[in-house]
Amino acid sequence: QKEVEQDPGPLSVPEGAIVSLNCTYSNSAFQYFMWYRQYSRKGPELLMYTYSSGNKEDGRFTAQVDKSSKYISLFIRDSQPSDSATYLCAPSLSGNTPLVFGKGTRLSVIA
Amino acid sequence: GAGVSQSPSNKVTEKGKDVELRCDPISGHTALYWYRQSLGQGLEFLIYFQGNSAPDKSGLPSDRFSAERTGGSVSTLTIQRTQQEDSAVYLCASSLGLSKNTGELFFGEGSRLTVL
Repeated sequence: QKEVEQDPGPLSVPEGAIVSLNCTYSNSAFQYFMWYRQYSRKGPELLMYTYSSGNKEDGRFTAQVDKSSKYISLFIRDSQPSDSATYLCAPSLSGNTPLVFGKGTRLSVIA
Repeated sequence: GAGVSQSPSNKVTEKGKDVELRCDPISGHTALYWYRQSLGQGLEFLIYFQGNSAPDKSGLPSDRFSAERTGGSVSTLTIQRTQQEDSAVYLCASSLGLSKNTGELFFGEGSRLTVL
């Protein structure tokens, strides 16, 4: 089993839709759970992160972690064409270990 | 700018040639990472430098790949005798490298390597 599994998509939704992106992971020692967003031909950049289990909301984005089932979710409300990008989940053990990335889900939001 | 800088942004080479890719991390970041991103394969970890410690080379795919980091700052990734399967985007990232931090990585825009 790979450390992080993520459906690569592509996922295409109409503008305004609610988007749900998900990952599963195998290492129960992961403590930080990050979501990176990568626009075409750019490097990934951190969108948001959560520590341990629970929810975190930032504007239209909500990150959710369920450590009991090793399941990570990112929800995007009122999706916009500018949200079209690849979203990568990346759990982390600590601040000085390499991140393990999911394959990324390519999202297209159609106006 | 104060971000991670990578060069060249694009490199086309012939099979069998050696290539060098350069990364200039954010000033003050002690940790530096190289990842490779191939189509449909996600980000593959290659190598990690943390301060003066021995690098974590566990992700290097073969002995044709090597990297060094001089003076705790600039890093060079070298691929010898390139093969077509080496074609990918090579991404460099840096971070504060503190164990109590989240481990957020700041990425450069990548070096796109095409091996003909």
